[in-house]
Amino acid sequence: QQPVQSPQAVILREGEDAVINCSSSKALYSVHWYRQKHGEAPVFLMILLKGGEQKGHDKISASFNEKKQQSSLYLTASQLSYSGTYFCTSGGSNYKLTFGKGTLLTVNP
Amino acid sequence: DAGVTQSPTHLIKTRGQQVTLRCSPKSGHDTVSWYQQALGQGPQFIFQYYEEEERQRGNFPDRFSGHQFPNYSSELNVNALLLGDSALYLCASSDVGGGANEQYFGPGTRLTVT
Repeated sequence: QQPVQSPQAVILREGEDAVINCSSSKALYSVHWYRQKHGEAPVFLMILLKGGEQKGHDKISASFNEKKQQSSLYLTASQLSYSGTYFCTSGGSNYKLTFGKGTLLTVNP
Repeated sequence: DAGVTQSPTHLIKTRGQQVTLRCSPKSGHDTVSWYQQALGQGPQFIFQYYEEEERQRGNFPDRFSGHQFPNYSSELNVNALLLGDSALYLCASSDVGGGANEQYFGPGTRLTVT
């Protein structure tokens, strides 16, 4: 079952904040966040695991509500380089990652 | 430290033909996953290889097959190509653990089926 992301798209000005949400109808073992720029490969941002463990970049923050099967990615003081499509994935214990449809983030000067 | 590499970069094939795509994982990684990404969509999981065996498979027909070599590199084979197979094929590597560990993606192979 594909995780659902919201919003589908968001436009920011440099310096503004944004929150991208991800929810799943299935129990989540882990949530991964990736960013993909146009014409490039997805780049790993963060993993959130059951029990509160997180691995990722220092400048990215995210939350994972295991009971609600929801995760949110927090982008603060956005920069032009933050532009791209953000994907969350639901990771099961069976190693398979299921990607959401993505959230297109555009940061303008 | 070399990242994930894929070859070829672009490929044009005719309906009914067969294609082989190649992937070399990031140094230190032993697990390779393959994804298909259609335009405007998120990557769709095809399968994952670990210890030269297919460990998990997504909802793809048997026309899609793979292989992993002792040096951890991997191939994706697609037989009897259909127009709908046109997509970006991404390879991702990770160390042991697969789903609970971060995956590093290669630049992809753009396959066009005419």
